[in-house]
Amino acid sequence: GAGVSQSPSNKVTEKGKDVELRCDPISGHTALYWYRQSLGQGLEFLIYFQGNSAPDKSGLPSDRFSAERTGGSVSTLTIQRTQQEDSAVYLCASSSLGSDTQYFGPGTRLTVL
Amino acid sequence: DQQVKQNSPSLSVQEGRISILNCDYTNSMFDYFLWYKKYPAEGPTFLISISSIKDKNEDGRFTVFLNKSAKHLSLHIVPSQPGDSAVYFCAARPTGSARQLTFGSGTQLTVLP
Repeated sequence: GAGVSQSPSNKVTEKGKDVELRCDPISGHTALYWYRQSLGQGLEFLIYFQGNSAPDKSGLPSDRFSAERTGGSVSTLTIQRTQQEDSAVYLCASSSLGSDTQYFGPGTRLTVL
Repeated sequence: DQQVKQNSPSLSVQEGRISILNCDYTNSMFDYFLWYKKYPAEGPTFLISISSIKDKNEDGRFTVFLNKSAKHLSLHIVPSQPGDSAVYFCAARPTGSARQLTFGSGTQLTVLP
């Protein structure tokens, strides 16, 4: 594909449910990032994958959040037992090896009722 | 503790005039800076970047200036066009192995026809 894709584009869930958000990075990009943007805020770093290295999870806000990247490509961000404060736009980005420029997907808007 | 600050949440300029968006940072370990543009319901789009070894980088109508001593960068758009109306985020990356970006809260630019 030409760019980073994310699914679903919108997700409405009830408090306490688990959700999975998917990211397909640009083909050949070795680095993949997850960020979230809450209303009126900047982007907040969540987690970073680089090749086969252990992911940098330093931005995950709680142990309800986890992410995996299968086969060095597609990534899934899982939020367990969702809370209302988890409502945000979740953005995925990828970059090529050695590049500092990150290319973003359109995001998934998560609403927790 | 906001390490990257965009103190103006909004800016309006007339078409054809110069738009100047400002960004301040506090972490002296940042050595690479980027500007992103974001339209509603889309992911951020990379605009222009600058390394800390430079004080200016120009790409068409967009120029980024970096003042390391003041820990300040700015994005100049000239001439401004109505299609430039969007939210602009500055972002910074620290030296070393960490690749995640720290974002400011954004400035909504409106270019009036």
